[in-house]
Amino acid sequence: GAGVSQSPSNKVTEKGKDVELRCDPISGHTALYWYRQSLGQGLEFLIYFQGNSAPDKSGLPSDRFSAERTGGSVSTLTIQRTQQEDSAVYLCASRRLAGGTPDTQYFGPGTRLTVL
Amino acid sequence: AQTVTQSQPEMSVQEAETVTLSCTYDTSESDYYLFWYKQPPSRQMILVIRQEAYKQQNATENRFSVNFQKAAKSFSLKISDSQLGDAAMYFCAYRSASGGTSYGKLTFGQGTILTVHP
Repeated sequence: GAGVSQSPSNKVTEKGKDVELRCDPISGHTALYWYRQSLGQGLEFLIYFQGNSAPDKSGLPSDRFSAERTGGSVSTLTIQRTQQEDSAVYLCASRRLAGGTPDTQYFGPGTRLTVL
Repeated sequence: AQTVTQSQPEMSVQEAETVTLSCTYDTSESDYYLFWYKQPPSRQMILVIRQEAYKQQNATENRFSVNFQKAAKSFSLKISDSQLGDAAMYFCAYRSASGGTSYGKLTFGQGTILTVHP
């Protein structure tokens, strides 16, 4: 079946602008994660959604970052007033919670964000 | 908090040879999962192999196998008969098996770049 998809693949923006990154998880996967991959910090957890529960936002680096997940499926990560240090690859992953291999996360191809 | 350490920033291997990538981790938990992910230049993270901590038997997937030493908190990846397509960044990752917040979140090592020479 289809894997995790993310859009856009690449995004170049100017400092101070807002950006939205989209993630479409694998159908039937109720858990969704956002990670950030940057040269200085490696791979960092940002936020976790599970069904209709309140998301775990403990990894978000500042209040300029927010995310939502509509209808338990598609998720949008929003970065307001972007800064140059926000430049990174943003990866989304999804996981089923029952059946198959519930402990395995499947990743999308990521969005490369460049803030000029 | 759990930490994962990959002490080899870069490794290289000749095609058809065997290479081992190292990973150590620190945790106070007894039940967890360990993973190796491969990230080629396309950026797509691909699961290579997974290991449940409660299983003593080392996981194997075709040419890929692990040496899981729970007491030593070590989880190395062995790639046999290396192929050009194995060239990528490899990440070791840890996931707690207990519930609570951030359930299922992965903690990654810094990564090892593997080069395969023809």
